[in-house]
Amino acid sequence: ETGVTQSPTHLIKTRGQQVTLRCSSQSGHNTVSWYQQALGQGPQFIFQYYREEENGRGNFPPRFSGLQFPNYSSELNVNALELDDSALYLCASSLEAGAEAFFGQGTRLTVV
Amino acid sequence: GESVGLHLPTLSVQEGDNSIINCAYSNSASDYFIWYKQESGKGPQFIIDIRSNMDKRQGQRVTVLLNKTVKHLSLQIAATQPGDSAVYFCAESHQAGTALIFGKGTTLSVSS
Repeated sequence: ETGVTQSPTHLIKTRGQQVTLRCSSQSGHNTVSWYQQALGQGPQFIFQYYREEENGRGNFPPRFSGLQFPNYSSELNVNALELDDSALYLCASSLEAGAEAFFGQGTRLTVV
Repeated sequence: GESVGLHLPTLSVQEGDNSIINCAYSNSASDYFIWYKQESGKGPQFIIDIRSNMDKRQGQRVTVLLNKTVKHLSLQIAATQPGDSAVYFCAESHQAGTALIFGKGTTLSVSS
């Protein structure tokens, strides 16, 4: 186990709704990254937070937003859900922005 | 564009054999490479990493080889076990801890 926990583990939402996914980073880790993994594909980088500031963003629309709290836990928010947003959402934490990243088990989001 | 790909989508081996999983990357500016193992329903698990100033690195039963001339990365697993069955991803980044670019993965199946 990596010490990175995500909640919920599974979620079903309706198209057009909004969703919030949560991640608790490994103790002492101040950097959190979020990835989207579609079925049968490799994870795709959404964005990274370092000490509560966004520190890089992938090719995702603005309806994907995030937040990092003073305790370094993080949220991923997705507005106006689309069917193609159905995927496994992974959170990874690291001690610093330049260190090895450890992944959580992911949240399986299904949009119907 | 930047991408990391794998040569074979599936690899089947017998228990005890040595396995070699290959990966080609396209960004010559990448400085950090990682192999991850992902079991069904779980997040990616770190196996081994290598920086661009090295061409070989060994871990427990695993070896990563980096050939910068042809932009090729490989993972060798010695004495493959049924517990090694999983999807293996290579990933690259400009530096450790920054956005990871993943390939599509190779599914390794180990039969007894």
